[in-house]
Amino acid sequence: DAGVTQSPTHLIKTRGQHVTLRCSPISGHKSVSWYQQVLGQGPQFIFQYYEKEERGRGNFPDRFSARQFPNYSSELNVNALLLGDSALYLCASSLGGEGANVLTFGAGSRLTVL
Amino acid sequence: AQKVTQAQTEISVVEKEDVTLDCVYETRDTTYYLFWYKQPPSGELVFLIRRNSFDEQNEISGRYSWNFQKSTSSFNFTITASQVVDSAVYFCALSEAGLTGGGNKLTFGTGTQLKVEL
Repeated sequence: DAGVTQSPTHLIKTRGQHVTLRCSPISGHKSVSWYQQVLGQGPQFIFQYYEKEERGRGNFPDRFSARQFPNYSSELNVNALLLGDSALYLCASSLGGEGANVLTFGAGSRLTVL
Repeated sequence: AQKVTQAQTEISVVEKEDVTLDCVYETRDTTYYLFWYKQPPSGELVFLIRRNSFDEQNEISGRYSWNFQKSTSSFNFTITASQVVDSAVYFCALSEAGLTGGGNKLTFGTGTQLKVEL
């Protein structure tokens, strides 16, 4: 079975631009979460979606948005990019059951903002 | 607010040495979950273990073992007879207990870079 797949793997943008990152969860997983990992730090929670509804939001500005599609894939959008948005963006999927789910992470999308 | 502290930024050991990675957490929740993840250079976080706050039994899985102590809010990870392939960044994480569809907000520590040399 395929794991969590993310695209693109690497991308370079300039300040003020917009970016869309995509994630396909493991088959059967209904929940997708997004994390931002700045170099040298642990991942920071951005969003969680379950059955196409937002179930959690981290401490990120409104420039960050996301959605989940009927096939459970997800997109993370970031508007008006800043230099500080340069990071590895990780997507994780889980079954979405009760309790703290075990998250399976993708390899990430590395965003560089110039 | 939840917080995870991994005070060891980097550890270097020689192959076959035992090594312990420390993790201290803070939470006001009575029910919570603790995790360890491994991040090799490829960047993909690999799940190692999940424990809930009511299960304080230590766990051993091959060369890996975990020591959970609620009294000191610690969840330490020991690798016995380390190998070069163990070289990676290891993250400890904390999560509240979630309802169905929730429970995916992990609070990560800053990670410990483990280097195992020949």
